Amino acid sequence: GEDVEQSLFLSVREGDSSVINCTYTDSSSTYLYWYKQEPGAGLQLLTYIFSNMDMKQDQRLTVLLNKKDKHLSLRIADTQTGDSAIYFCALLTGGGNKLTFGTGTQLKVEL
Amino acid sequence: NAGVTQTPKFRVLKTGQSMTLLCAQDMNHEYMYWYRQDPGMGLRLIHYSVGEGTTAKGEVPDGYNVSRLKKQNFLLGLESAAPSQTSVYFCASRPGTGGYNSPLHFGNGTRLTVT
Repeated sequence: GEDVEQSLFLSVREGDSSVINCTYTDSSSTYLYWYKQEPGAGLQLLTYIFSNMDMKQDQRLTVLLNKKDKHLSLRIADTQTGDSAIYFCALLTGGGNKLTFGTGTQLKVEL
Repeated sequence: NAGVTQTPKFRVLKTGQSMTLLCAQDMNHEYMYWYRQDPGMGLRLIHYSVGEGTTAKGEVPDGYNVSRLKKQNFLLGLESAAPSQTSVYFCASRPGTGGYNSPLHFGNGTRLTVT
């Protein structure tokens, strides 16, 4: 099946930029997503990118897609303590029926 | 709208016991999913359904059964619980139409412990 890998932890200082990375194996994915999970809650969609795009910017969030290297990243500018959460990348697979999630990156924002 | 509601929120089972987790959505979504979340492993798809009366296996279906008798409900059953099924279970749904950019809507999870 599809493998989607992320680093488990990332720690940054408030006000710095955070970059969360994701690598995957299935090159046929058409949509790629970033979800955020706060403690004790379900996942919420942050942003997504279509596979024919290289970059998408949405306020403090920038998504970069390198299809050749099968690498997706999420950059959060001016990281705040409220950004502390687990971030998951996800790929649309199974002919568009399923989302395959990465292992999740726990972002810790320190003062 | 309540969105996606999971019951119960917490449950402790003994090995060999059975239980059913209920997921209900009030958004008229076609697609529904059950995932389990384990530390360091992300979310893994157990079973999913693309419409009322249909179900399909996901990545880790063994030990689980599902039913989608009504469009708004997706039930996840454990016939004989094992400690390896200790996890947080998430239900999600999304529209069948609206293109591939229709996001998943998640419930708040059910924390299951099997002793």
